[in-house]
Amino acid sequence: DIQMTQSPSSLSASVGDRVTITCRASQGISNSLAWYQQKPGKAPKLLLSAASRLESGVPSRFSGSGSGTDYTLTISSLQPEDSATYYCQQYYSTAQTFGQGTKVEIQ
Amino acid sequence: EEQLVESGGGLVKPGGSLRLSCAASRFTFSSYGMNWVRQAPGKGLEWVSSISSSSSHIYYADSVKGRFTISRDNAKNSLYLQMNSLRAEDTAVYYCARDEGYSSYWGQGTLVTVSS
Repeated sequence: DIQMTQSPSSLSASVGDRVTITCRASQGISNSLAWYQQKPGKAPKLLLSAASRLESGVPSRFSGSGSGTDYTLTISSLQPEDSATYYCQQYYSTAQTFGQGTKVEIQ
Repeated sequence: EEQLVESGGGLVKPGGSLRLSCAASRFTFSSYGMNWVRQAPGKGLEWVSSISSSSSHIYYADSVKGRFTISRDNAKNSLYLQMNSLRAEDTAVYYCARDEGYSSYWGQGTLVTVSS
């Protein structure tokens, strides 16, 4: 199976900060990467697919980039409602795998 | 907006069985593959199983292969997960999700607790 390594596992930042989360795959995944946001007690919500395609209704402060094995999720100006856990997921393989998650807290 | 509603979770003893259901509405269910994804308490997300729109392609995580069976009934807009030989480590919230490679829409989840 393709392993997804996400970093950091947690971070604390202030409102307005630029935040970056990285995800590394154990092999190339050809941009078959999605990012999800999950708030406590709620189902995950799809933010981006194909590494950089923003889903409808998702604020433009969220963006994704990367290629090959290395991908990033960037929040350009952190807002209070962005407090959540973020997961990457590869769907290059039929055995989909998720990163371990990054918990984002607002200082 | 697309809607997915899971049901069938509950408390079951180790070695027992449970069948989860997922009712889909507000989209053409028969046109999409579907996923089951689970989340153990306080842990991350784990893909469990996928089924294509016509049931012709089915995949399982190694952790559930041989114990869980995914199926669907397009006439009833429903997805199922038959879980047998349950173990304590299967305790989790189980989500159904619409498959587009990634999981585009998710249900609210149903909790399965395996404990004696």
